[in-house]
Formats: sequence, structure tokens, C-alpha cells
Amino acid sequence: SQTIHQWPATLVQPVGSPLSLECTVEGTSNPNLYWYRQAAGRGLQLLFYSVGIGQISSEVPQNLSASRPQDRQFILSSKKLLLSDSGFYLCAWSVHEAFFGQGTRLTVV
Amino acid sequence: DQQVKQNSPSLSVQEGRISILNCDYTNSMFDYFLWYKKYPAEGPTFLISISSIKDKNEDGRFTVFLNKSAKHLSLHIVPSQPGDSAVYFCAATRSFSRLTFGEGTQLTVNP
Repeated sequence: SQTIHQWPATLVQPVGSPLSLECTVEGTSNPNLYWYRQAAGRGLQLLFYSVGIGQISSEVPQNLSASRPQDRQFILSSKKLLLSDSGFYLCAWSVHEAFFGQGTRLTVV
Repeated sequence: DQQVKQNSPSLSVQEGRISILNCDYTNSMFDYFLWYKKYPAEGPTFLISISSIKDKNEDGRFTVFLNKSAKHLSLHIVPSQPGDSAVYFCAATRSFSRLTFGEGTQLTVNP
């Protein structure tokens, strides 16, 4: 069966610090991979999606970036966090339906 | 451009009654629609989906209806249970590429 791992579950980072969130998928090959963010009281905002290794589409301009170094690994990064980067980050994979990780609660202080 | 819209941020129903969650979309190229349920501090979980070639799909207490001419879909939960209280997101995709989500509707089922 397919599983998705996302870590860490919670993170508190100071403004200006770097960020790296990692997501890995097991049990499937060549999935579409996604990073979403849910700000407080808001819906799911698509940040990045990838249809293959090294193929990243960015949906919104921001100081975040994503990379897919391996087929089942998706990394969300930032060189310098802003206060506005706080939120709940979700990784997901799909072939048809999308399946989500448990999320990372990021608080930038 | 919000291509998928859930105009009701919240809905409150009594246990045992029907819950109807609505979703509208603007992109006529969407061919597959999904509903997700989300509890606080957890990732969304897939509930039910429907292809654009159908107008109804049923799974237990959950039924999704699709009206392509109106670009509208709805999720019916009957009977509603307190454990159904969560945020419900509708999503749409074209050819199983990127998923576009609505803003979500907070459903509260009162005992």
C-alpha cells in the first residue's frame, strides 16, 4: 500500500532562518507531488507541484522553493523565512485521487 | 482566479439530518472532482470523487452530485453524525494533473 511521510510535524523558526521540509512517498512510482499551505482560517493554497524528477511548477510568487531530487522525494525550502510564511504545510501525492501527509505546523517568530 | 469556490464557510446541522455541501467551478475543462475531509492539525483525507461523465456517485452515507451545465457539485451526507464535523474541501482536476481546491466549508453536526 502507498504511504506518505512528512516531517517534522511542528517547527518554530526565527525570521530570516532557512527552512527545509521533506516529504517521501512509498508504494508508488512516478506520482504527481504537491506542496500546499493552509493559512489560519483559509483554504488550501497550492504552492508547488511536480510531475517528475526535477520538474517543478510554482503556483504563486514567494520566497519558497521546491525540489524533487528523487522520484518519491519532494522538498520545500526557503533561504530566509518571513513572518508570513507561518502556516500549515501539506505534502500530497496523486495518481488519481490525492493523498496527503499529516502536515507540518510552521510558526515563524 | 478562484476556479473552485465553496461559498459557504460554515454549515451547522442536527445529528440524523442531511448535510449538503456545495461547490462551484469555473473551468469547463475540469473532468474529475473530489471531496476531502479535514480535521484540525491533520492532512485532508479523500472521501469521494466523481468523473465528469457521471452525475452521481454514492458511497455509504456520502453522495456526490455533479451538474456540469451549472458547473456545480454537491456532497450529501445522510444521516449526519457528530463525527462528520470537520472542514470539507472540494477539488477539481483536468486529466489528473494538478488539483485545485476550494476554500473549504466547516461542517458542525450537533448531537
